[in-house]
Amino acid sequence: GDSVTQMEGPVTLSEEAFLTINCTYTATGYPSLFWYVQYPGEGLQLLLKATKADDKGSNKGFEATYRKETTSFHLEKGSVQVSDSAVYFCALTDGGFKTIFGAGTRLFVKA
Amino acid sequence: DTAVSQTPKYLVTQMGNDKSIKCEQNLGHDTMYWYKQDSKKFLKIMFSYNNKELIINETVPNRFSPKSPDKAHLNLHINSLELGDSAVYFCASSQGWAVSSYNEQFFGPGTRLTVL
Repeated sequence: GDSVTQMEGPVTLSEEAFLTINCTYTATGYPSLFWYVQYPGEGLQLLLKATKADDKGSNKGFEATYRKETTSFHLEKGSVQVSDSAVYFCALTDGGFKTIFGAGTRLFVKA
Repeated sequence: DTAVSQTPKYLVTQMGNDKSIKCEQNLGHDTMYWYKQDSKKFLKIMFSYNNKELIINETVPNRFSPKSPDKAHLNLHINSLELGDSAVYFCASSQGWAVSSYNEQFFGPGTRLTVL
């Protein structure tokens, strides 16, 4: 079945550092890929998405490119802020009602 | 105006009790979900309803019963609560696999359930 694997956390960075959170997937079809973010005490919210190969999703300085050849969708940000501290979830949907979520990666950003 | 709301936000109860969590969405979506998030933040889907019909029913104990009185509401009733039911429960909604939405999920704020 479809699955999403993302790097284990926590990831701890200093403010203005470069962020990469790795995400790879397996899917039988042509999935759409997402990154969701969960701030402390809140529900998940969509950060960005890409719906076909080579698409780049971007939002709030975060970017991720849909790489079909490596089945990856890594999340990057050039300069993180303390306010980016959260849990980040990679996810996919494959044409149905079900969304498959990765295990989440917790990010801590120190001032 | 809150898009997906849940009540209560916190629920503390004794083992063996029965409790309900309510969810409402005002986004006009056709599909609603219940997820369970454990202490390690792992998110597991439990149920999904589309137009009031059950479409996803993962391996969940029979003590959990969802009910959807209309498209805007999906409630979760839990019988005979156990210690292992302690978690955060999230309601979510989506427009399904529409061309522009790709099943983007909109989450409620969560209900933290603690079973003593």
